[in-house]
Amino acid sequence: AQSVTQPDIHITVSEGASLELRCNYSYGATPYLFWYVQSPGQGLQLLLKYFSGDTLVQGIKGFEAEFKRSQSSFNLRKPSVHWSDAAEYFCAVSEYGNKLVFGAGTILRVKS
Amino acid sequence: GAGVSQSPSNKVTEKGKDVELRCDPISGHTALYWYRQSLGQGLEFLIYFQGNSAPDKSGLPSDRFSAERTGGSVSTLTIQRTQQEDSAVYLCASSLEGNQPQHFGDGTRLSIL
Repeated sequence: AQSVTQPDIHITVSEGASLELRCNYSYGATPYLFWYVQSPGQGLQLLLKYFSGDTLVQGIKGFEAEFKRSQSSFNLRKPSVHWSDAAEYFCAVSEYGNKLVFGAGTILRVKS
Repeated sequence: GAGVSQSPSNKVTEKGKDVELRCDPISGHTALYWYRQSLGQGLEFLIYFQGNSAPDKSGLPSDRFSAERTGGSVSTLTIQRTQQEDSAVYLCASSLEGNQPQHFGDGTRLSIL
């Protein structure tokens, strides 16, 4: 069965600092990979996705993620964090791009 | 407003009652999903509708849970004889096709007293 691990429950970064959120997945083949963001009381917003091709994918709000097959990882990065980026971030995988299996989430706090 | 719409946004009910949660997907989206988000279990897949195919019910936690999608559009998730462990946020998502990115609604927060 597929599983997703987000090892960091909470992360605090200073505004303007760089960010990396970790995601590891367990699956035999290369799954569809996603990062979503959730602000309090709201649904999930898609940041970016990887299906195939270039392993470095660009998303919205200045985020990017890199798929590394050898490490079964799909880490999310942003070079300079803004206070508005404070939210909870979810990594998700899907075998066929439909049913999503989510990680436990990482709560990002941005300090000024 | 072209997003996924869910109603009600909040629902409080007594243990043992039945509840219905509604989802209006984005127009033209053929795939519709229900997920549950709870403190103890995180985000879990419940059920998936794709066009006229039989739904994938593999995530439904018990036979008290059911869902239907009428006319390939609106969907209703029904929970019968609610239990306290059903308290959660129920999220609906839709996508153009089954392997396309999913767009989520803001969810229905269900509280069982």
